[in-house]
Amino acid sequence: DIQMTQSPSSLSASVGDRVTITCRASQSISRFLNWYKQKPGKSPKLLIYGASSLQGGVPSRFSGSGSGTEFTLTISSLQPEDFATYYCQQSYSTPWAFGQGTKVEIK
Amino acid sequence: QVQLQESGPGLVKPSGTLSLTCAVSGGSITSSNWWSWVRQPPGKGLEWIGEIYHSGRTNYNPSLKSRVTMSVDKSNNQFSLKLSSVTAADRAVYYCTRDSAWINNYDGSGYFRAFDIWGQGTMVTVSS
Repeated sequence: DIQMTQSPSSLSASVGDRVTITCRASQSISRFLNWYKQKPGKSPKLLIYGASSLQGGVPSRFSGSGSGTEFTLTISSLQPEDFATYYCQQSYSTPWAFGQGTKVEIK
Repeated sequence: QVQLQESGPGLVKPSGTLSLTCAVSGGSITSSNWWSWVRQPPGKGLEWIGEIYHSGRTNYNPSLKSRVTMSVDKSNNQFSLKLSSVTAADRAVYYCTRDSAWINNYDGSGYFRAFDIWGQGTMVTVSS
């Protein structure tokens, strides 16, 4: 099974900051990597699929990059509504697996 | 706009069977999508349980495979999850999701799949 590891587990940032979250896969997954955002008490929301394709309606300040085993999610200018937990997920082979999450908190 | 709604008992006895249903509205369960269950223990991360296609084909997470059964009810446009022999470790919010696919234009190898629609989730507690 493919294991996904995110770093950092949490970070503190201010509105307007550039934020980068890293996700690593235990083996190559090409570009089969998705990113989700989850606010407390809410369902996860798909942000990015295929490592870098923005899901419809997602603000352009979100971007994804990477291939193989290393991927990044970047928020170019953090907004108040972006404080949440972010998860990566591999869609290369079942069992689909998520990273442990990165909590983005207000500094 | 497709929407998903989970339903089922919020309390299950230890060693019992958890049973949940996900109603699909605004679209058909016979569309070209897989349908999954994902769970999240309180304060923890997401765990994929398994998926089902409208044909009845399933894929389960090996960590839960011996206890999981999924089914589709096309007449009622819904799909279901059964998890047997539950323990306290199965206490979680259970989400049903739609799995969509996009063409991989980068190298042409297959389709990119992702969970693009989620239900609101339902909390299941295991207690006597």
